Amino acid sequence: GENVEQHPSTLSVQEGDSAVIKCTYSDSASNYFPWYKQELGKRPQLIIDIRSNVGEKKDQRIAVTLNKTAKHFSLHITETQPEDSAVYFCAVGGSQGNLIFGKGTKLSVKP
Amino acid sequence: ETGVTQTPRHLVMGMTNKKSLKCEQHLGHNAMYWYKQSAKKPLELMFVYNFKEQTENNSVPSRFSPECPNSSHLFLHLHTLQPEDSALYLCASSQADGRSNSPLHFGNGTRLTVT
Repeated sequence: GENVEQHPSTLSVQEGDSAVIKCTYSDSASNYFPWYKQELGKRPQLIIDIRSNVGEKKDQRIAVTLNKTAKHFSLHITETQPEDSAVYFCAVGGSQGNLIFGKGTKLSVKP
Repeated sequence: ETGVTQTPRHLVMGMTNKKSLKCEQHLGHNAMYWYKQSAKKPLELMFVYNFKEQTENNSVPSRFSPECPNSSHLFLHLHTLQPEDSALYLCASSQADGRSNSPLHFGNGTRLTVT
């Protein structure tokens, strides 16, 4: 089955700096790559997603890049703010519409 | 309002108890999911229902029994659980068309503690 690896597990940045989180996957047939943000005590929420027919997608301060050949994709957050502090999960779309998640990255943005 | 409502928010049960978790989605979706979230582990898919039919059972022990009476409601029946089953149980829904993936919408979860 699909295997999703996410790095790093923790990331600490200074406010205003950029943050990058990377994920790799194993199934070359996968074609959907969302990112979820989970604040403490809250539910995971979709922040951005990309499908295999595009290489990059941006939404204000966040962007996702996809390299299908290498089977990896990354989340980029620019101009980080304290409210960006949360756990971020990458996921890969499976054959039944279900998602396989990475282990998560705890991002801390220091003011 | 999240669109996906889970009850109860917290549950403490003994190993011999029987309890049920409930999930309801108000988004008109046709697929519903149960995920387990434990500390320092990825979100683990437990069950998938598409159009009320179970399409995936991810090797979940039989002490967890799902029920999907219609496309808006999903239950997880719990029986003789173990302490290692303590976790956050998240319900999610999506609009599945059988050809491509779509975003999952999660509920707030039920924090389960097995004593």
